[in-house]
Amino acid sequence: DAKTTQPTSMDCAEGRAANLPCNHSTISGNEYVYWYRQIHSQGPQYIIHGLKNNETNEMASLIITEDRKSSTLILPHATLRDTAVYYCISNQGGSEKLVFGKGTKLTVNP
Amino acid sequence: DVKVTQSSRYLVKRTGEKVFLECVQDMDHENMFWYRQDPGLGLRLIYFSYDVKMKEKGDIPEGYSVSREKKERFSLILESASTNQTSMYLCASVKGGVTYEQYFGPGTRLTVT
Repeated sequence: DAKTTQPTSMDCAEGRAANLPCNHSTISGNEYVYWYRQIHSQGPQYIIHGLKNNETNEMASLIITEDRKSSTLILPHATLRDTAVYYCISNQGGSEKLVFGKGTKLTVNP
Repeated sequence: DVKVTQSSRYLVKRTGEKVFLECVQDMDHENMFWYRQDPGLGLRLIYFSYDVKMKEKGDIPEGYSVSREKKERFSLILESASTNQTSMYLCASVKGGVTYEQYFGPGTRLTVT
């Protein structure tokens, strides 16, 4: 499984876009990038995933660079409830095993 | 909504006790997982199961065993609890063939004294 690296923590103002980077320079062609988040005292929650193309859903957008060595999760209008630890994960295609790193602690400030 | 429930939110056990942590999911998912989460170490996979009576070791299986007698239930067993097994334990499930969306339970915070 490709190793991912993320900043330990980030801050964002409420209402602004939060851009969370992730490096996955050793990712192989069949490995997906997944994003989860964990709000304090809860289990992790799936956000979005992608392989090559940019993806968008009701929660967030995922921008993957053309060389696939990095990606950015975008929360377009961060709210206080988005304060959480965000995990960027990759795995080999077809494997249900996800390896969680330490993630990025995002704090959304009023 | 998919629900993954865990038998207890908080549990206190003594060293040497046998501990059972139960996890139940209601969406007929094939795959189930047990993780532990510790400060500074993130989530680490203990065991997972692709089907009834099937199990595979994760990254840190030592000191643990699992049981999957029914599709909806996945149990984590600490044969002889030790203080270094004090942790938050999280169960997850995912539909077979759908890799990305693991559904997590609320977690069990286990303290071994």
